[in-house]
Amino acid sequence: GESVGLHLPTLSVQEGDNSIINCAYSNSASDYFIWYKQESGKGPQFIIDIRSNMDKRQGQRVTVLLNKTVKHLSLQIAATQPGDSAVYFCAENTDDKIIFGKGTRLHILP
Amino acid sequence: DTEVTQTPKHLVMGMTNKKSLKCEQHMGHRAMYWYKQKAKKPPELMFVYSYEKLSINESVPSRFSPECPNSSLLNLHLHALQPEDSALYLCASSQGLAGTYEQYFGPGTRLTVT
Repeated sequence: GESVGLHLPTLSVQEGDNSIINCAYSNSASDYFIWYKQESGKGPQFIIDIRSNMDKRQGQRVTVLLNKTVKHLSLQIAATQPGDSAVYFCAENTDDKIIFGKGTRLHILP
Repeated sequence: DTEVTQTPKHLVMGMTNKKSLKCEQHMGHRAMYWYKQKAKKPPELMFVYSYEKLSINESVPSRFSPECPNSSLLNLHLHALQPEDSALYLCASSQGLAGTYEQYFGPGTRLTVT
């Protein structure tokens, strides 16, 4: 699958491959992290979350990994489909405020 | 019903106009939020209401005035806006404050200030 080391604004992945989207967060005191998917013309949609006492959480076709040592979060999407085409944002909770990171636009290649 | 609705979908207003954005949810959520999103940027938090009381104001200019008439409704009153205020305005709600509960977002109101 396609993976990136640091945040990239755009990621292109072949349909059927796995996608890995990375995110660095800023506040070591953040205790809750979320990945959102935003399709064109829509509001962000919750995908998966993880609390700081965990390092991995799996959902349906998605996995979130949390590395608190380096303040890094990643989203893995298995068997990427055309419907996965969107902008993906990571977000962190600090003091009851959800702060969004920079988004990554995921393009699916046929 | 897991939907947050926002009206209008699009709004064009002049700098001297007064208008309001509306947001509604019927999920029994007690926290509601306004975000502003510029093109190709992440959403930025503006206001948080918890149990119908304003709990967070992210230093938003007074030309934006939020109001929470009841637990299901959230308004954003707009007055004397500037062209740089043109953006997508997103409303969200959650069962409790966002640090613990999933946020549900509406589709947004796309605002153009002329």
